[in-house]
Amino acid sequence: EDQVTQSPEALRLQEGESSSLNCSYTVSGLRGLFWYRQDPGKGPEFLFTLYSAGEEKEKERLKATLTKKESFLHITAPKPEDSATYLCAVRGSSNTGKLIFGQGTTLQVKP
Amino acid sequence: EPEVTQTPSHQVTQMGQEVILRCVPISNHLYFYWYRQILGQKVEFLVSFYNNEISEKSEIFDDQFSVERPDGSNFTLKIRSTKLEDSAMYFCASARDISDRRFFGQGTRLTVV
Repeated sequence: EDQVTQSPEALRLQEGESSSLNCSYTVSGLRGLFWYRQDPGKGPEFLFTLYSAGEEKEKERLKATLTKKESFLHITAPKPEDSATYLCAVRGSSNTGKLIFGQGTTLQVKP
Repeated sequence: EPEVTQTPSHQVTQMGQEVILRCVPISNHLYFYWYRQILGQKVEFLVSFYNNEISEKSEIFDDQFSVERPDGSNFTLKIRSTKLEDSAMYFCASARDISDRRFFGQGTRLTVV
């Protein structure tokens, strides 16, 4: 069964303090690992898709990396507006494209 | 950027009543999904829809649930007889291609009392 585990559950950083979020996955035949940002009471907002080990993608202060067992979302010099819940999801062997989500990491960045 | 639109944003219903949650996916997308998120829990897959039929459904999606794409633009989720445990945020998502990113709507918060 496809599974996604994210750690830590919550992370508090000072503005400018870089850190990483982890997403460990077990899936039979990874067909995509997705990172989303979710603000309270809102829908997930797309950040990145990674397809193969070694792949990296960047957007502003965020960088996502992928290995065969996990993905990291690195946040460099975060700002308060980066505060949100970050969701990791995998698309596995299903031919329908369903995503399996982790429970998320809630990031709080203090000024 | 194009967006997925969901209505209503919040619905309160009595247990046993039928509800219909509505979604307008992005116009050139072909793959459609419903997910739900119970407060404080993971986003969970409910159903996927492609080529005018259900392509996969989860264990949650029992006989009380149904989906329709009645007119080529709207995509609806119906819960026939709501239960207290159906209270959750329901998200619609669409994708142009099965590998492509999924665009999520802002959700409908369903409260069953």
